[in-house]
Amino acid sequence: AQSVTQPDIHITVSEGASLELRCNYSYGATPYLFWYVQSPGQGLQLLLKYFSGDTLVQGIKGFEAEFKRSQSSFNLRKPSVHWSDAAEYFCAVGKYGNKLVFGAGTILRVKS
Amino acid sequence: GAGVSQSPRYKVTKRGQDVALRCDPISGHVSLYWYRQALGQGPEFLTYFNYEAQQDKSGLPNDRFSAERPEGSISTLTIQRTEQRDSAMYRCASSQGGNYNEQFFGPGTRLTVL
Repeated sequence: AQSVTQPDIHITVSEGASLELRCNYSYGATPYLFWYVQSPGQGLQLLLKYFSGDTLVQGIKGFEAEFKRSQSSFNLRKPSVHWSDAAEYFCAVGKYGNKLVFGAGTILRVKS
Repeated sequence: GAGVSQSPRYKVTKRGQDVALRCDPISGHVSLYWYRQALGQGPEFLTYFNYEAQQDKSGLPNDRFSAERPEGSISTLTIQRTEQRDSAMYRCASSQGGNYNEQFFGPGTRLTVL
């Protein structure tokens, strides 16, 4: 069965510091992988996606993620965090025309 | 509108009542999805449609839950005889269909069953 694990429930980083949010997945084939961000009172916004090709994908707001098949991982990174990045981040796995399976999310806190 | 809209944004109901949650997808989007998100969890798939056809309802927890999309646009998720355990955020998403499953989410409906 498909599953997504986000090992960190909460992460706190200082403004300007680098960020890495972990995501591990279980899937029977090469999956489509996604990172979404959820701010309070807002819907889920897509940050980036991986379908095929280059394993390092760039997204919006300066985020990037790297697909590592050998580790079944799709970690999200940002070189310098801004206070406005404080939110909840969800990793998801899916396939064409199909449901998404989400991780439990990681809450990011940014301290000044 | 530019994005997915959902109504109502908040719904408080008493146990045993029926509720209907509405989703208006992005214009022209073929596929429409419903998810439920409990507090502290990620969204969990309920059901999805291509046009008016319900393609997968494997995530609906029991027969009190049903969904329809009669004209291939607006969708309604109905919960009959609500129970306290139904309290959650209900999220709708839509996508263009085709090979890429980029789903655009609405703001959700927060359902509270007293």
